[in-house]
Amino acid sequence: NAGVTQTPKFQVLKTGQSMTLQCAQDMNHNSMYWYRQDPGMGLRLIYYSASEGTTDKGEVPNGYNVSRLNKREFSLRLESAAPSQTSVYFCASREGSGANVLTFGAGSRLTVL
Amino acid sequence: GEDVEQSLFLSVREGDSSVINCTYTDSSSTYLYWYKQEPGAGLQLLTYIFSNMDMKQDQRLTVLLNKKDKHLSLRIADTQTGDSAIYFCPGYRGQNFVFGPGTRLSVLP
Repeated sequence: NAGVTQTPKFQVLKTGQSMTLQCAQDMNHNSMYWYRQDPGMGLRLIYYSASEGTTDKGEVPNGYNVSRLNKREFSLRLESAAPSQTSVYFCASREGSGANVLTFGAGSRLTVL
Repeated sequence: GEDVEQSLFLSVREGDSSVINCTYTDSSSTYLYWYKQEPGAGLQLLTYIFSNMDMKQDQRLTVLLNKKDKHLSLRIADTQTGDSAIYFCPGYRGQNFVFGPGTRLSVLP
């Protein structure tokens, strides 16, 4: 099972450039999430999608947009990257039933110069 | 206060037991979880406990839950170097998990 797949794993951008982080899950989960992880800060929720066709802001949405393309895919876009967006980004999906476990991707390390 | 509170660092000797503690504020979640993050990797589910239980054992791992005090702990028996990682107990806010900075466990030879 692939679980949650994120691409790219690493990216370097210049200030003002745009890019999209891709995420796909093959577990038929309804909910998907984007977090960022900064040293000493834990994980902060950027956006989430409770189901296909819906998206909601999390704790730190400014500077980001998301698209829930279908049930499998949830992308995160930086329209005009800033150095403050240098971080490690994690996509996750959630069962929605049973133990309702959150499953994470391996992460995407983004550096904005 | 914070959604979840954990000590930032813990060091133990290889072979000793480790105990990582967590205090949370929102008790509405049906399950409580422990996640492990190894260097350069994503978070992986380590174990979870149903909120109506007070203990769960899974090989070297023991989870204790004191629901009255909103306190969760993870005990790792016979700690190995491969246990060196950051451990998270996510809190719960609304419909979503909330992650603090976690506890960084260092295992000394």
